[in-house]
Amino acid sequence: EAQVTQNPRYLITVTGKKLTVTCSQNMNHEYMSWYRQDPGLGLRQIYYSMNVEVTDKGDVPEGYKVSRKEKRNFPLILESPSPNQTSLYFCASSSAGWTEAFFGQGTRLTVV
Amino acid sequence: GQQVMQIPQYQHVQEGEDFTTYCNSSTTLSNIQWYKQRPGGHPVFLIQLVKSGEVKKQKRLTFQFGEAKKNSSLHITATQTTDVGTYFCADNYGQNFVFGPGTRLSVLP
Repeated sequence: EAQVTQNPRYLITVTGKKLTVTCSQNMNHEYMSWYRQDPGLGLRQIYYSMNVEVTDKGDVPEGYKVSRKEKRNFPLILESPSPNQTSLYFCASSSAGWTEAFFGQGTRLTVV
Repeated sequence: GQQVMQIPQYQHVQEGEDFTTYCNSSTTLSNIQWYKQRPGGHPVFLIQLVKSGEVKKQKRLTFQFGEAKKNSSLHITATQTTDVGTYFCADNYGQNFVFGPGTRLSVLP
C-alpha cells in the first residue's frame, strides 16, 4: 500500500531535549517536505527536499533541521525544542512535476 | 514570497445548504490543487486544475480555475455532515507547494 509513515504519532518532551521525527515513503517519490499546522495558520512549510542530498528552507525553518540521505526517508530534527514548537507536524511526498502530495498521519508534539 | 489566500476562514452551514470557498493569489498560479482534511486527520488530495477557466466536478463538488489563473473556487452543493473538515487550496508550481490557510467547514444537522 502506498503510504507516508511518520513516527511517533504523539510526543511530549521537555524544553531542550533533542528529538527526531521520522518520515518514510514507499512510493519512490523525489519530493518530500515538512509542515507544521497551528490553529488559524494552515499548513506552513518548514523544509523541503527535491531529491537525495538536496534540501531547502521553507517559510518557518528556524529551530529545525532535516536530512535526506536516502530517497525514502526525510527526518525532522529539533536540536533544542522550545514550547513554541508545540504543534501538529505533517510530512508529505510527491513525485516530480505537477502531481498530488501524499501526507503522513501527523505527529502531535508538545514541548513543556 | 508567494502567498495563497483563502476565504472565508470559517463557515457554518445547515445541512443541505450550499458552501463555497475561494482561493486567491496576487501572482499567476501554476496549477491549483484542492485538499480536504477531516477533523483529526491529514490532508487528502481532491483534485488538480491546470487550465485557465477549467471546471471539474466530483459528485456534489464543483471546482473552478479562474480565467486569469489567479483564483479558484470549490463549491459544494447540498452539504452533508460528511463534508465537515478543512479545505485547502495549494499552488503546485512543479518544484514546490504553497498552501492556503484553509477554510474550516462545519455542517449542522
